[in-house]
Amino acid sequence: SQKIEQNSEALNIQEGKTATLTCNYTNYSPAYLQWYRQDPGRGPVFLLLIRENEKEKRKERLKVTFDTTLKQSLFHITASQPADSATYLCALDGTGSYQLTFGKGTKLSVIP
Amino acid sequence: NAGVTQTPKFRVLKTGQSMTLLCAQDMNHEYMYWYRQDPGMGLRLIHYSVGEGTTAKGEVPDGYNVSRLKKQNFLLGLESAAPSQTSVYFCASSYSWAGEADTQYFGPGTRLTVL
Repeated sequence: SQKIEQNSEALNIQEGKTATLTCNYTNYSPAYLQWYRQDPGRGPVFLLLIRENEKEKRKERLKVTFDTTLKQSLFHITASQPADSATYLCALDGTGSYQLTFGKGTKLSVIP
Repeated sequence: NAGVTQTPKFRVLKTGQSMTLLCAQDMNHEYMYWYRQDPGMGLRLIHYSVGEGTTAKGEVPDGYNVSRLKKQNFLLGLESAAPSQTSVYFCASSYSWAGEADTQYFGPGTRLTVL
């Protein structure tokens, strides 16, 4: 069956360290993979998109990798800050027909 | 530029009642989406539209209907609400298809409780 798994429901990290979040998928062949941030009581906010032919993408302190052989994307936040605390969602275009499928998210807490 | 707005923000219904959720966007986006978000389930696509006058089913369409009569509006209807439809509903829009769009915008959500 098709699955999207984000490494853990919650991740705690010390301020200043690099946070690494994982998105694994099974029985999908996505052309695109996206990462979103969601704060409590708010809608998701788009962060980054990476295409299947791209190995890595960066935006300020954010870095995303996409390994279609391992069927995995890694999302890194360098020099993490308490303001980075949020739930991070990965999403991919696995089913065709203009549909994005989302993972359940990882709640990141950056401890001062 | 308000982005994506949703009306209402909160609503409590009794089983069997009907209601319509309104989504509006002022970015001239072609694509619009309705999702529901439940604890432990993540975001799931209910219905979507690829342009004015078009609608299509997503992953969990049962019990919902939609209409896109105007490009800027996407309506989600519940004809006979059930407790299983208690959820937070998010509308989203994008210029091109969400998988390849550089930016997809979500609304603030509608929290619906069905008693």
